[in-house]
Amino acid sequence: GENVEQHPSTLSVQEGDSAVIKCTYSDSASNYFPWYKQELGKGPQLIIDIRSNVGEKKDQRIAVTLNKTAKHFSLHITETQPEDSAVYFCAASDQAGTALIFGKGTTLSVSS
Amino acid sequence: NAGVTQTPKFQVLKTGQSMTLQCAQDMNHEYMSWYRQDPGMGLRLIHYSVGAGITDQGEVPNGYNVSRSTTEDFPLRLLSAAPSQTSVYFCASSYSSGQGEYNEQFFGPGTRLTVL
Repeated sequence: GENVEQHPSTLSVQEGDSAVIKCTYSDSASNYFPWYKQELGKGPQLIIDIRSNVGEKKDQRIAVTLNKTAKHFSLHITETQPEDSAVYFCAASDQAGTALIFGKGTTLSVSS
Repeated sequence: NAGVTQTPKFQVLKTGQSMTLQCAQDMNHEYMSWYRQDPGMGLRLIHYSVGAGITDQGEVPNGYNVSRSTTEDFPLRLLSAAPSQTSVYFCASSYSSGQGEYNEQFFGPGTRLTVL
């Protein structure tokens, strides 16, 4: 079955710096790759997603890149702000398209 | 729309007790699922449903039962709680646009369960 590895597990940056979180997946049939942000005491919330027919997607300060050949995808946050501090999860769809397999999460801390 | 709602927010059980975690959504989503979140483990899929009357097992189904009698509701039942089931439980839903096509999942606020 699908396996998703996420790195790093923790990331500390200064306000205004960029942050990059990387994930790899094992199932070449996966075709949907979302990123979720989870604030303390709340459920995960989708911040950006990408499908396998697209190599890059951007939404203001957030971008995701996908390399299908290498089976990895990355989240890029530019001009980080303290409110970006949270746990970020990547995920990949399974072959049947009925389940998401999640990475173990990255705790991002942005200090001002 | 209320989105995805979960009750209760917190629950403490003794080993062997049973209970049902409630989940409801008002977005007319066909797909609903239950995850558990443990420290350092991310989110792991327990059970899911692609529509009323249809359920299937996820990665960690043992010790949990589900049913889907309506589109709106997807309760998760613990028949005999064990300390290993101490976790935070999230329900999620999404619309289904066809086989193999995945769409945004909306998560509820979670239920924090402690089994003593």
